[in-house]
Amino acid sequence: AQSVTQLDSQVPVFEEAPVELRCNYSSSVSVYLFWYVQYPNQGLQLLLKYLSGSTLVKGINGFEAEFNKSQTSFHLRKPSVHISDTAEYFCAVSGPPATTFGRGTSLIVHP
Amino acid sequence: DAGVIQSPRHEVTEMGQEVTLRCKPISGHDYLFWYRQTMMRGLELLIYFNNNVPIDDSGMPEDRFSAKMPNASFSTLKIQPSEPRDSAVYFCASSPGLTYNEQFFGPGTRLTVL
Repeated sequence: AQSVTQLDSQVPVFEEAPVELRCNYSSSVSVYLFWYVQYPNQGLQLLLKYLSGSTLVKGINGFEAEFNKSQTSFHLRKPSVHISDTAEYFCAVSGPPATTFGRGTSLIVHP
Repeated sequence: DAGVIQSPRHEVTEMGQEVTLRCKPISGHDYLFWYRQTMMRGLELLIYFNNNVPIDDSGMPEDRFSAKMPNASFSTLKIQPSEPRDSAVYFCASSPGLTYNEQFFGPGTRLTVL
């Protein structure tokens, strides 16, 4: 069985400040990790993914995440956020049988 | 590519009525997923198909829910009879694989049962 825990349900931040959204996972098999973003009234879309190789993964819109096997974490970061980054962010772990999504973190960027 | 297409985008119905949600996956994707999203429970996987065959329906809440995939380009999720607690956003997603492939989500159907 696999599970994902997103430690913060809501993260408020001011525009141009850095942000980190935290994600911890558990899995008994090989780990494939994803971050998805959901803008209001839209479906989820992929931000980035870790399959293997370098533990630092770069995604779209300036986001990056670091895979830490010893801490079973896959935190998402951005050095400077924009108003348009306001959205719901989902961490996910994929492995048999299917993908498990976290509960989501609402990123709220204030001007 | 048009992406995953869902219809209708919004559905308002009365308790007891039958509701049918529709999905057209991305061509060439072998996997199709149905999810339900609510504030209380987050994103829940209801059922998924591989090559039109239902593989895991353990997330379907009860017998009132059923899903079919008659061909590679069409799937339906049916609720009969509908209840107010079924109110949620229902997403369809498709993927070329099960594990290390990303899922492509449709825009969702917002269902309100009065």
